[in-house]
Amino acid sequence: GAVVSQHPSWVICKSGTSVKIECRSLDFQATTMFWYRQFPKQSLMLMATSNEGSKATYEQGVEKDKFLINHASLTLSTLTVTSAHPEDSSFYICSARETGGAFGYTFGSGTRLTVV
Amino acid sequence: QKEVEQDPGPLSVPEGAIVSLNCTYSNSAFQYFMWYRQYSRKGPELLMYTYSSGNKEDGRFTAQVDKSSKYISLFIRDSQPSDSATYLCAMSAGAGSYQLTFGKGTKLSVIP
Repeated sequence: GAVVSQHPSWVICKSGTSVKIECRSLDFQATTMFWYRQFPKQSLMLMATSNEGSKATYEQGVEKDKFLINHASLTLSTLTVTSAHPEDSSFYICSARETGGAFGYTFGSGTRLTVV
Repeated sequence: QKEVEQDPGPLSVPEGAIVSLNCTYSNSAFQYFMWYRQYSRKGPELLMYTYSSGNKEDGRFTAQVDKSSKYISLFIRDSQPSDSATYLCAMSAGAGSYQLTFGKGTKLSVIP
C-alpha cells in the first residue's frame, strides 16, 4: 500500500531557531499534500494544503511566514517552522493522496516538535 | 456548532465486546466518510471509507453512514486489546484534493 515517510519523528529545538520537517511519498506521486497540527487530546487541524509547483494554501489563522511550505516535487513536501517558540510545540502530521489513484489519504507517522 | 462532533471518551470495554463509535456532522456537502485509527504518537491510519450513505464491512469492522441524519458509525466486533487506540472520524466533500475535516477522536481501551 501507499506509504508516506515523515522525518524527523521528534525534534527538540531552542526558541528562535528554525526546524524543517520532511514528508515523502515513497511509492506514489502526490500532487497535493496536507499538513496538520495536533495538540494533546485534540483533533487534527489542517494548517495548509501543499501543491506541487505552486504556492501552498494556508488555513485561516495560520501564519504563512512562520510555517513555510515547499512542495518542490511530486514526492516531497517540507514544512519549516521559522523562529520557533514554545507555543509552536505540537505534533505535526502530513498526509498525501496518490495522484489519480484510489480514494484514501495516507498519513505520515508525525513529528513531535518541542521548543525549549 | 462544530462541523464534526465526536465523543472523545475515553471508552473502556472488555475483550470480545462489540464497540460502537459515532460521529455527527452538520455540513450536508460531505460525501466521503472515513474512519482512522491512531496509536499514541503515530500518524492516523485509514481503516475504512464510505461514499454517501450505506454500510461497509471489512472483517471485524463495519462502517455505517446515514446522510439523512448526518450520523456515521463504526462498529468493532470481537474487540481485541490491539484495538486500543484513538479512533477519528473524518469527512470530505469530495475526493482528490479535497481537505478532510476530523472529529476529535474517541480513545478506546480494550481490557484483556
